Amino acid sequence: DAGITQSPRHKVTETGTPVTLRCHQTENHRYMYWYRQDPGHGLRLIHYSYGVKDTDKGEVSDGYSVSRSKTEDFLLTLESATSSQTSVYFCAIRGSQGERTEAFFGQGTRLTVV
Amino acid sequence: GESVGLHLPTLSVQEGDNSIINCAYSNSASDYFIWYKQESGKGPQFIIDIRSNMDKRQGQRVTVLLNKTVKHLSLQIAATQPGDSAVYFCAENLNYGQNFVFGPGTRLSVLP
Repeated sequence: DAGITQSPRHKVTETGTPVTLRCHQTENHRYMYWYRQDPGHGLRLIHYSYGVKDTDKGEVSDGYSVSRSKTEDFLLTLESATSSQTSVYFCAIRGSQGERTEAFFGQGTRLTVV
Repeated sequence: GESVGLHLPTLSVQEGDNSIINCAYSNSASDYFIWYKQESGKGPQFIIDIRSNMDKRQGQRVTVLLNKTVKHLSLQIAATQPGDSAVYFCAENLNYGQNFVFGPGTRLSVLP
């Protein structure tokens, strides 16, 4: 794996509770992404970051927030978890233009909201 | 994970045969494409990429073909092995834009 660690790997939480997922990289890559993966929808972008404190929304950002205070860490927060947020969440990283251009993925976090 | 691909098209091939997985991409202006492999319970893994100024690129046992006229990508796997069983995704990117757009995926099943 390309130096990406997601934590936790599995989590069960109750509806209405806050949840934070962590993505940690050791590659010093500029870009970091959070995707969710659901049957019938494939991989969909939630939020991404293009630098420390620089983030932007993806196509399914409602109900999620992110923070990036350090290059190596990108946090995804569900302020008040709902059952529709039950999914597998993947973090990905990507270097700057001129470097390796593919996105590398973490192992995923399986989140269940009950 | 295990829930990925419940509704995906499936390609079944005999071990040792060649596999061809197809993908239609959405944006005619996309200029960079990647194929990923995802095994059950794991994250997508990079296989091979191609830029729009090429129409073919070869790797180890894999070849990607790009047809920009009809916005079509294909992944060819030579001498398919049991370890090739997985879900395969194509992804497109525009002008080193921030985001990749992923296709829905195809499940490859290798029969003994």
